[in-house]
Amino acid sequence: DGGITQSPKYLFRKEGQNVTLSCEQNLNHDAMYWYRQDPGQGLRLIYYSQIVNDFQKGDIAEGYSVSREKKESFPLTVTSAQKNPTAFYLCASSMKTSWSYNEQFFGPGTRLTVL
Amino acid sequence: GNSVTQMEGPVTLSEEAFLTINCTYTATGYPSLFWYVQYPGEGLQLLLKATKADDKGSNKGFEATYRKETTSFHLEKGSVQVSDSAVYFCALSDSEEFQGAQKLVFGQGTRLTINP
Repeated sequence: DGGITQSPKYLFRKEGQNVTLSCEQNLNHDAMYWYRQDPGQGLRLIYYSQIVNDFQKGDIAEGYSVSREKKESFPLTVTSAQKNPTAFYLCASSMKTSWSYNEQFFGPGTRLTVL
Repeated sequence: GNSVTQMEGPVTLSEEAFLTINCTYTATGYPSLFWYVQYPGEGLQLLLKATKADDKGSNKGFEATYRKETTSFHLEKGSVQVSDSAVYFCALSDSEEFQGAQKLVFGQGTRLTINP
């Protein structure tokens, strides 16, 4: 089955530590995205990537970093510089057609809690 | 900039009731419009979409019509079930490519609870 996997489902981190969230897709999608979701709020874009070895900052990139070494993988690192990292993190991907990108498909999410 | 405003929740209905969740948007250009659904503890799933004015998206008994004149994309269902309990997000994507990828702008979400 094609899809997007995120691991782990739950993650706990001590203050001051960096942590990396995994996102893998086997849909052969070109673009991948990271979103943050806080209670009662919509999703906010952290980073996105349209091609291997290239990525762009979204609306709330401060305190986060990403890499795109393979088409199917787009890990997100939450650094100690992120002041309020406790949130639900969602990864998504989309395929580029000849004229646009199709809808985004989402992974199941990782809930990060800073202790 | 582009924005999406959704009806505030939570919304609580009885089974078989009629559902409307309002969504209005502000955008330049000609955005595509989406409704996503999120079940507890899960990611988002695309429920339906419309890519141009007067298009009607539909899926699983849900419908929404792209109304350019009122900049709206309200979600409706004629008879809701307990299994429809979830958070619903309205979103738009700009028709212009966002440096090659598709940027989605989300509303804040509306939590729907259906009681048996």
